[in-house]
Amino acid sequence: SQKIEQNSEALNIQEGKTATLTCNYTNYSPAYLQWYRQDPGRGPVFLLLIRENEKEKRKERLKVTFDTTLKQSLFHITASQPADSATYLCALDALNTDKLIFGTGTRLQVFP
Amino acid sequence: KAGVTQTPRYLIKTRGQQVTLSCSPISGHRSVSWYQQTPGQGLQFLFEYFSETQRNKGNFPGRFSGRQFSNSRSEMNVSTLELGDSALYLCASSLISGVDNEQFFGPGTRLTVL
Repeated sequence: SQKIEQNSEALNIQEGKTATLTCNYTNYSPAYLQWYRQDPGRGPVFLLLIRENEKEKRKERLKVTFDTTLKQSLFHITASQPADSATYLCALDALNTDKLIFGTGTRLQVFP
Repeated sequence: KAGVTQTPRYLIKTRGQQVTLSCSPISGHRSVSWYQQTPGQGLQFLFEYFSETQRNKGNFPGRFSGRQFSNSRSEMNVSTLELGDSALYLCASSLISGVDNEQFFGPGTRLTVL
């Protein structure tokens, strides 16, 4: 069955460094991959969408890559700030459906 | 433009009861999806409604049901509540249906089943 894996351990980095979060998937080939940010007690907020034929996408300090050979997406936040501290979720379209499957998320903590 | 609103924000019920949650999408959005979020399972898809029709359904028992009205507002119902139904229920809207569309999430309804 389809599986999405995000590092369940929190990622702690220093302010100003680049944070890199990983999303791995197995057993299928999604056409789309999305990244969301979720703060405690709030709903997820959409950040970026990348298609299978796109290798990389950028938005301000954010960069997403999509490697269909490695079955992996990397999410980068450059010049990270304490305000970037949150849980980041990746989501992929489920096989042969219009449903989104979410990973369990990785908590990012940026220290000043 | 107002965001997605969900009511109530918090709810406490006892086992065996039923509950109805409400979601008002962003004006103009016709697709509404519902998700259950728990610490152990993460965000799990319940169902999606588009133009008052259920387009997709997740792997949840029939106790979970929903509907969408002509104004795109949606309700979700859970009957015969179980302890394991305690979760954050999130509603998300998008302009049209399809996984290549940005989803706008509401703040969620925190359901506690005692």
